[in-house]
Amino acid sequence: EIVLTQSPGTLSLSPGQRATLSCRASQRIRSNYIAWYQQKPGQAPRLLIYGASTRATGIPDRFSGSGSGTDFTLTISGLEPEDFAVYYCQRYGDSPLTFGGGTKVEIK
Amino acid sequence: QLQESGPGLVKPSETLSLTCNVSGASIIRSSYYWGWVRQPPGKGLEWLGSVHYSGSIYLNPSLKRPVSTSVDTSNNQFSLKLTSLTAADTAVYYCARQGMIFGFDPFDIWGRGTMVTVSA
Repeated sequence: EIVLTQSPGTLSLSPGQRATLSCRASQRIRSNYIAWYQQKPGQAPRLLIYGASTRATGIPDRFSGSGSGTDFTLTISGLEPEDFAVYYCQRYGDSPLTFGGGTKVEIK
Repeated sequence: QLQESGPGLVKPSETLSLTCNVSGASIIRSSYYWGWVRQPPGKGLEWLGSVHYSGSIYLNPSLKRPVSTSVDTSNNQFSLKLTSLTAADTAVYYCARQGMIFGFDPFDIWGRGTMVTVSA
């Protein structure tokens, strides 16, 4: 099973600042099959990014993804108030599907 | 839209049965898997399993106990059964849709989730 490790656990930033979230895999990820989700309290996760860098439908362009191999990054350029949430990376493509432990982006 | 339904409270050692009702689309569309993900309070996400309407089932091997999932095409629903429950199974259980373009695609549509508490 491929383990995904997200860092940092918590990111304290102010609105307007840039957020950089990391997701590191224990093995190389085939075809960059990494997705990113946003989850707000009491809500289901929402798909943001797939294929490491492709935004899902309706996702603002301040969200961007990058990376390959074992190291992936989600960047939020210019945090809006609604962006403060928990973010998860996920490996997909084949079983077992795995998620990282999450990064909480909180208001400083 | 996806909507989970379940018992809310289950006793230890019992079996959990959850159902996900699919509306606005047919569950027999061949290009989708229908999956289950859970989230213990304050913790992260765990994939439990996914099913295709044809009967193909994929389960997370880390669960290490009998789990089953199935599709009810007549009612446009799919279900999950998790046996031998313990307090560690207390979680919000989500159903979600995933495409098949990349094998198992990311989950693009989610239900709101249903809280299940395991307690005597």
